[in-house]
Amino acid sequence: EAEVAQSPRYKITEKSQAVAFWCDPISGHATLYWYRQILGQGPELLVQFQDESVVDDSQLPKDRFSAERLKGVDSTLKIQPAELGDSAMYLCASRGDIDPWAFFGQGTRLTVV
Amino acid sequence: AQSVTQLGSHVSVSEGALVLLRCNYSSSVPPYLFWYVQYPNQGLQLLLKYTSAATLVKGINGFEAEFKKSETSFHLTKPSAHMSDAAEYFCAASNFGNEKLTFGTGTRLTIIP
Repeated sequence: EAEVAQSPRYKITEKSQAVAFWCDPISGHATLYWYRQILGQGPELLVQFQDESVVDDSQLPKDRFSAERLKGVDSTLKIQPAELGDSAMYLCASRGDIDPWAFFGQGTRLTVV
Repeated sequence: AQSVTQLGSHVSVSEGALVLLRCNYSSSVPPYLFWYVQYPNQGLQLLLKYTSAATLVKGINGFEAEFKKSETSFHLTKPSAHMSDAAEYFCAASNFGNEKLTFGTGTRLTIIP
C-alpha cells in the first residue's frame, strides 16, 4: 500500500540552529500539506501545495519557516533559527485529485533544547 | 471559515462498553467529514469518511459515524470497546472545492480493563 514517507522520525536540535524535514507524498498526489501538532492539540495547517505552487501559507511563520516543493513531488520544510516553542510533531499529508481525504505520514517529532 | 468542535478532550469507557466521541462542524454547507486515529508518536490514520453519500458511515476497526445535518454533527461510535482502541481521535472537515483540512482539538480515549 502506498504511503507518505517522512524523515527523520525524530530530531533533537539546539535553539537557534537550522533544521529541515523531508516528505515524499503518495505517487500522483498533487496536493501536499504540512501540519504542526503541538502536544495535546489538533494538527494545524502550516502550508498547502498544489503541485509546486503554494495554495495556503497563511499560518506559516515566514520569518523563520520556509517550505518548498520544487518539482511538485517531494517537499522540504525548514526552520531557521529554531526556537523552543517549535517543539512539536510535524506531519506531512497528501491528497489525490479525486478523493477528498488526506493520507498522513508518520511525522517528525522535533525537540528544541 | 470552517471550524470543528470535539466535546470532551478525554473519554474513558470500560472494555466492552459503548464508545461515543462527539464532533460538531460549523459550516452551513455540509462539508466532507473525517475521523482520524492517532497512536502515540505516530501519524494520523483515516478511520472513516463522509462524502455526501450514505449518512451512516462504516469505518475500520468496527467504528461508524452518523452524519446529522440538522444537528451539524458527525459523532463516532463503536458498540463494544477494545483495549486496542485506546488512542487519540480527531474529527476533521473540508469544504467541497477547498482542500484545506480543519481539525478538532482531539479526544483521548482510555479503555478501562
